[in-house]
Amino acid sequence: AAGVIQSPRHLIKEKRETATLKCYPIPRHDTVYWYQQGPGQDPQFLISFYEKMQSDKGSIPDRFSAQQFSDYHSELNMSSLELGDSALYFCASSLAGVPPLHFGNGTRLTVT
Amino acid sequence: AQSVTQLGSHVSVSEGALVLLRCNYSSSVPPYLFWYVQYPNQGLQLLLKYTSAATLVKGINGFEAEFKKSETSFHLTKPSAHMSDAAEYFCAVSVPGTSGSRLTFGEGTQLTVNP
Repeated sequence: AAGVIQSPRHLIKEKRETATLKCYPIPRHDTVYWYQQGPGQDPQFLISFYEKMQSDKGSIPDRFSAQQFSDYHSELNMSSLELGDSALYFCASSLAGVPPLHFGNGTRLTVT
Repeated sequence: AQSVTQLGSHVSVSEGALVLLRCNYSSSVPPYLFWYVQYPNQGLQLLLKYTSAATLVKGINGFEAEFKKSETSFHLTKPSAHMSDAAEYFCAVSVPGTSGSRLTFGEGTQLTVNP
């Protein structure tokens, strides 16, 4: 069965650079969630989208933005990267109103 | 706001022994509860979920959990540990009907299985 696809799997950036993470949800899923997991930490909710509209917002820094496109894939844009942004970024997808049961394998972002 | 607390950041058991990972939740309304497993450098895999149906929930890989409202608990158990069970386990809570249905995770429990 198709799963949540994230790209790239690994990304290395320097401080103050910009990064774009992509998420392709399970087919027919209309809701996408983004989570950030720092080293040894639990996943922290960043933001979610339903039908291309932001549906919920968590602890997402102002330097980050995200959107969901007409094909339901989502992109997380991160600017002015800081060392503390180094983390595993997960995307999850679901049908509307259903908690995210299916997670991608994540993008590991390293900021040097 | 909802939250979960996982008691014990590290649990160590012998192969074949009972696995018990503890999770307590806090929610102003009846919650949905979940257990996820994470292997090193991998994503989160759903083990099982409670969504207000049967209080004893069976999941994959022989795991099960029981929702106890009176104790606000959702402990994860497995009768006999296997070496392949060594991983990080996260308990999570969601409040049904809220915007976005976000999951809030506990801090995780690292399970070590000794031969």
